[in-house]
Amino acid sequence: GESVGLHLPTLSVQEGDNSIINCAYSNSASDYFIWYKQESGKGPQFIIDIRSNMDKRQGQRVTVLLNKTVKHLSLQIAATQPGDSAVYFCAERNGNNRLAFGKGNQVVVIP
Amino acid sequence: NAGVTQTPKFQVLKTGQSMTLQCAQDMNHNSMYWYRQDPGMGLRLIYYSASEGTTDKGEVPNGYNVSRLNKREFSLRLESAAPSQTSVYFCASSVEPQETQYFGPGTRLLVL
Repeated sequence: GESVGLHLPTLSVQEGDNSIINCAYSNSASDYFIWYKQESGKGPQFIIDIRSNMDKRQGQRVTVLLNKTVKHLSLQIAATQPGDSAVYFCAERNGNNRLAFGKGNQVVVIP
Repeated sequence: NAGVTQTPKFQVLKTGQSMTLQCAQDMNHNSMYWYRQDPGMGLRLIYYSASEGTTDKGEVPNGYNVSRLNKREFSLRLESAAPSQTSVYFCASSVEPQETQYFGPGTRLLVL
């Protein structure tokens, strides 16, 4: 499939280690944030979301942290597996009746 | 549930040809969207439909038209394709505007 990750920041992580993917958002009024995973040749897949009244939310092997002071969002993946290799991007709801998507980070898992 | 489905999966067009990309969702969502994705540029919104019977321009609407045929279906039409429209096109849907969007598998379009 085509690569949507050309020229994206790349994180290389050893299988079994934890991954941290970062996202800076622009609008201090944004109140809802989503992380998506996109594997090569596929559509974006919802991973986890968080609302601005929370600092942390956990899912299965994933944790999202929100720091509103510095407008920063992170996704932590525990015990990274080869199937986690993908592009990860964040989205924010900024009041314009739509979501604004980041360009993404490429995660490469080294077996 | 199939979620969001898109047809065709791949298409090659010559400059000036027209085509319609089809999208359907079976999640009873009110809102539907069309995006294009180009390498290193992220998702860019072409058009969206907040609810059945309404459509609005997104970030990059020029050269495209849309039709919200019913609650399930939202089509994207290229009236006269140009090489600059070579891209991967994704359809998405959400319960309400600005809520979590769920994406289809994409249509890969090459305009020669």
